[in-house]
Amino acid sequence: GENVEQHPSTLSVQEGDSAVIKCTYSDSASNYFPWYKQELGKGPQLIIDIRSNVGEKKDQRIAVTLNKTAKHFSLHITETQPEDSAVYFCAASTNDYKLSFGAGTTVTVRA
Amino acid sequence: DARVTQTPRHKVTEMGQEVTMRCQPILGHNTVFWYRQTMMQGLELLAYFRNRAPLDDSGMPKDRFSAEMPDATLATLKIQPSEPRDSAVYFCASGLISDEAFFGQGTRLTVV
Repeated sequence: GENVEQHPSTLSVQEGDSAVIKCTYSDSASNYFPWYKQELGKGPQLIIDIRSNVGEKKDQRIAVTLNKTAKHFSLHITETQPEDSAVYFCAASTNDYKLSFGAGTTVTVRA
Repeated sequence: DARVTQTPRHKVTEMGQEVTMRCQPILGHNTVFWYRQTMMQGLELLAYFRNRAPLDDSGMPKDRFSAEMPDATLATLKIQPSEPRDSAVYFCASGLISDEAFFGQGTRLTVV
């Protein structure tokens, strides 16, 4: 089955700086790559996703890039703010419903 | 705004008791997922429904877990009998496209 690895496990950045989280996947058939943000005591919230027919997608301060050849994708958060502090999960799936999640990255934005 | 609603938010029960968790998917969504989250295992898929039909429950311990969708507005996850190792946060998620999942707030289950 699909195996998704996520790095780093923790990330501390100064407010205003950028944060980058990287994920690799094993199944070359994977074609859907969502990113979730989970705040304490809440469920994961879908923040951005990308499908395999595009290499990059941007939504305000958040962007995701995908390299299908290398089988890795990344989340970029620019101009970080304290409210960006949370646990971020990447995931991958093939043409079905089974999302395989990474282990998560705890992001702390220092004021 | 549209959201997945889960009840109860917290549940503490004694080992051996039956536990039922409920989920109201987003109106109009035709896929429902049940996930379990633990520190050790992360997010694990327990069951998947499409148009109320169970398509995959391979992630659930069959002897004690069961998942149903009595109607399009209600999904249930039942554990009978519960065990301490079932302690986790259980999430329901729904979607309109098969792999998109919008999560509820979760039910934090503690079995003592």
